Amino acid sequence: NAGVTQTPKFQVLKTGQSMTLQCAQDMNHEYMSWYRQDPGMGLRLIHYSVGAGITDQGEVPNGYNVSRSTTEDFPLRLLSAAPSQTSVYFCASSNTGARNSPLHFGNGTRLTVT
Amino acid sequence: GDSVTQMEGPVTLSEEAFLTINCTYTATGYPSLFWYVQYPGEGLQLLLKATKADDKGSNKGFEATYRKETTSFHLEKGSVQVSDSAVYFCALAYSGNTPLVFGKGTRLSVIA
Repeated sequence: NAGVTQTPKFQVLKTGQSMTLQCAQDMNHEYMSWYRQDPGMGLRLIHYSVGAGITDQGEVPNGYNVSRSTTEDFPLRLLSAAPSQTSVYFCASSNTGARNSPLHFGNGTRLTVT
Repeated sequence: GDSVTQMEGPVTLSEEAFLTINCTYTATGYPSLFWYVQYPGEGLQLLLKATKADDKGSNKGFEATYRKETTSFHLEKGSVQVSDSAVYFCALAYSGNTPLVFGKGTRLSVIA
């Protein structure tokens, strides 16, 4: 079982470049989300989706875009990378809302912006 | 708004020591409470949960009791192992599609 797959595992960008972090899940989960993890800050929610065609902003959405055209995929786009976006990014999915269904996390993408 | 506060880490213990990681929450309603664990190089995974006051969640020797009167959900284990070394996150969630609210995490290192 693949679960939640994130690509790439590592990425280095220059300031101003754009890129897309990929996330795919094979569990037919409706709920998907993106978090960033920074030292001393824990996990902060960037964007989330409760189903195909529906997205919403989390705590720190600025500088990021998402779309959910299929149930399986939830890509995260950095429009113009900044050093402040250096972080580890995690995608997660769950069958229903987080109260009743555990989140399944990918193994993360470590992004460095120089 | 809703929030979760965990004890600052890192926590370093010898093998077979007793573990407590404190977690308190601020919430306007009656959320479910969770502990997630992150092993080195991996994403988070659910460790245990409790859905209402006085519930006790347990898994892999870890326990936590949902205390409404003290708004707490402290994680405990009677005898830690080196393999328990990880970052532990306390979190809360309401019903529906509201996202999890995470604490900042507590790093545990267990030495042999």
